[in-house]
Amino acid sequence: EADIYQTPRYLVIGTGKKITLECSQTMGHDKMYWYQQDPGMELHLIHYSYGVNSTEKGDLSSESTVSRIRTEHFPLTLESARPSHTSQYLCASSEYRGRQETQYFGPGTRLLVL
Amino acid sequence: GQNIDQPTEMTATEGAIVQINCTYQTSGFNGLFWYQQHAGEAPTFLSYNVLDGLEEKGRFSSFLSRSKGYSYLLLKELQMKDSASYLCAPYSGAGSYQLTFGKGTKLSVIP
Repeated sequence: EADIYQTPRYLVIGTGKKITLECSQTMGHDKMYWYQQDPGMELHLIHYSYGVNSTEKGDLSSESTVSRIRTEHFPLTLESARPSHTSQYLCASSEYRGRQETQYFGPGTRLLVL
Repeated sequence: GQNIDQPTEMTATEGAIVQINCTYQTSGFNGLFWYQQHAGEAPTFLSYNVLDGLEEKGRFSSFLSRSKGYSYLLLKELQMKDSASYLCAPYSGAGSYQLTFGKGTKLSVIP
């Protein structure tokens, strides 16, 4: 059982609002990721981090930003939400030991922007 | 870049065996993940193959051929709860920690 948490689980918000999606893990993993997934569609990587003070953009362009000030915390921020941001946002963290890497997902945040 | 190909949908009968194939073309390759994702839920880890060959884990097995850019997930003794999407995800190493997910294969298990 992975110890990775996301809050809120569901969020309905108006256009133009600033929002922060929280993600935290208690496993001490250095690597963390944010994915965006529309219903029935594939996962797209939008941000990832190798460790504290490290953040990189993923394959899918996103207007969101991330920060990694602490190992366990990887929040994602939208400065001004728009209806096009409506989606599910999944956070993940991973550990890499020898040849084995395992990536664990949080439960996700379902965002609806009106 | 990465190119991943797996069937969009499959249907199989409860108690049967099903094989979900995945072919990939990657600029770098370190291993391949398989994930299970039930509708509306987060993906859950099934397997990670680094070396060629078959790895068995209970009712699920995963096979990898690095030279052919090919993997499959084998599900035995299918149960209704196995109805889900199965995501093939090559992992590129060499300084990049990106995991690229395929579009997934939606498996429907019928009685």
